[in-house]
Amino acid sequence: GAGVSQTPSNKVTEKGKYVELRCDPISGHTALYWYRQSLGQGPEFLIYFQGTGAADDSGLPNDRFFAVRPEGSVSTLKIQRTERGDSAVYLCASSPLLGPYNEQFFGPGTRLTVL
Amino acid sequence: AQSVSQHNHHVILSEAASLELGCNYSYGGTVNLFWYVQYPGQHLQLLLKYFSGDPLVKGIKGFEAEFIKSKFSFNLRKPSVQWSDTAEYFCAVIALNDYKLSFGAGTTVTVRA
Repeated sequence: GAGVSQTPSNKVTEKGKYVELRCDPISGHTALYWYRQSLGQGPEFLIYFQGTGAADDSGLPNDRFFAVRPEGSVSTLKIQRTERGDSAVYLCASSPLLGPYNEQFFGPGTRLTVL
Repeated sequence: AQSVSQHNHHVILSEAASLELGCNYSYGGTVNLFWYVQYPGQHLQLLLKYFSGDPLVKGIKGFEAEFIKSKFSFNLRKPSVQWSDTAEYFCAVIALNDYKLSFGAGTTVTVRA
């Protein structure tokens, strides 16, 4: 079966531009998470969804970041007015249900570079 | 909020050597604990997990970890490493009243043939 997929795998953009990062979770998984991994660090939580609604967006660094999951499956992370500090690997994960006992399955990530 | 500390940034060892990676967390409540591994060019995958019961848990590829509640530790071990164990290893925790993982900074393990 297919795992979590993320597109694009690499994205290079210029400072100030808008970017969208896409995540396709494992089919049937209702919970979806976004994390960000900066160089030399572990993944840091950004936001998670249960179904279509953002259950917790407390990890989003500021209002330039926004994520949607309109049909409860695919999710898009949107970053406005990108800054060099946004450069990182953005990871998506999904799990069958939301909760601390459910394994989170990670995608390969999107490497974002802001020049 | 919980935090996770991994003691070693980079570990280099020879094949057949024993491996132990330290992980400590800080949190006032009960947590579930995980070790994830990322092989070169691959995505993060679960190595093992601890929820409750026997504090010594076994995972894939001969790895095991021991939860010591009094020390807030969850150290990862493997008695005899192979070249294919070269990877980055992440310790993570999740509070029982939460849904997001908190990761340590990771330990890069290089096994020399």
